[in-house]
Amino acid sequence: NAGVTQTPKFRVLKTGQSMTLLCAQDMNHEYMYWYRQDPGMGLRLIHYSVGEGTTAKGEVPDGYNVSRLKKQNFLLGLESAAPSQTSVYFCASNKWDSPSETQYFGPGTRLLVL
Amino acid sequence: RKEVEQDPGPFNVPEGATVAFNCTYSNSASQSFFWYRQDCRKEPKLLMSVYSSGNEDGRFTAQLNRASQYISLLIRDSKLSDSATYLCVVNKAGANNLFFGTGTRLTVIP
Repeated sequence: NAGVTQTPKFRVLKTGQSMTLLCAQDMNHEYMYWYRQDPGMGLRLIHYSVGEGTTAKGEVPDGYNVSRLKKQNFLLGLESAAPSQTSVYFCASNKWDSPSETQYFGPGTRLLVL
Repeated sequence: RKEVEQDPGPFNVPEGATVAFNCTYSNSASQSFFWYRQDCRKEPKLLMSVYSSGNEDGRFTAQLNRASQYISLLIRDSKLSDSATYLCVVNKAGANNLFFGTGTRLTVIP
């Protein structure tokens, strides 16, 4: 099993450009999440999905959109990138059979917006 | 008030030392508690779940104090390989989401 994978690993954008980050998991997990991690802020939830075709807003959703057309994939889109979106983005997934279910993280995508 | 608060450190300890981290959480209705470990420029990985009765995994011991709403992690006989950032994680009460602390950085010195 590859677990959770993310594409790309690193990207540089200019302000106003758009891009899509791809997350894929092969563990048949229902739940998937997108986080951003900034120095001194910890991991913050952007959007999440509790199943194919569903999405919901997290703590910091503004400026991002998501889609979950297939169970194994969760896409994060930036329509018009801003320097404030410079961050490390992590995708995670889990089964959530119970509240004690752990989350499995992808390796992260480092995004720099100039 | 933040959902989860941790001392960011850094904690610099010699090999073989015992070190303890504490974390406080704000929502008394939270049900699930974890410690994750994150190495530099890597993704977070589960270190251990924290149970009400306390639990131990080798050199690592986790404790939960619901009355005071804090969680602790004790590392005995520190190894160089324990150098990492330790994230305190608490679930959002009644929801699928987790709240992550900002992490406590540990460096074990030879």
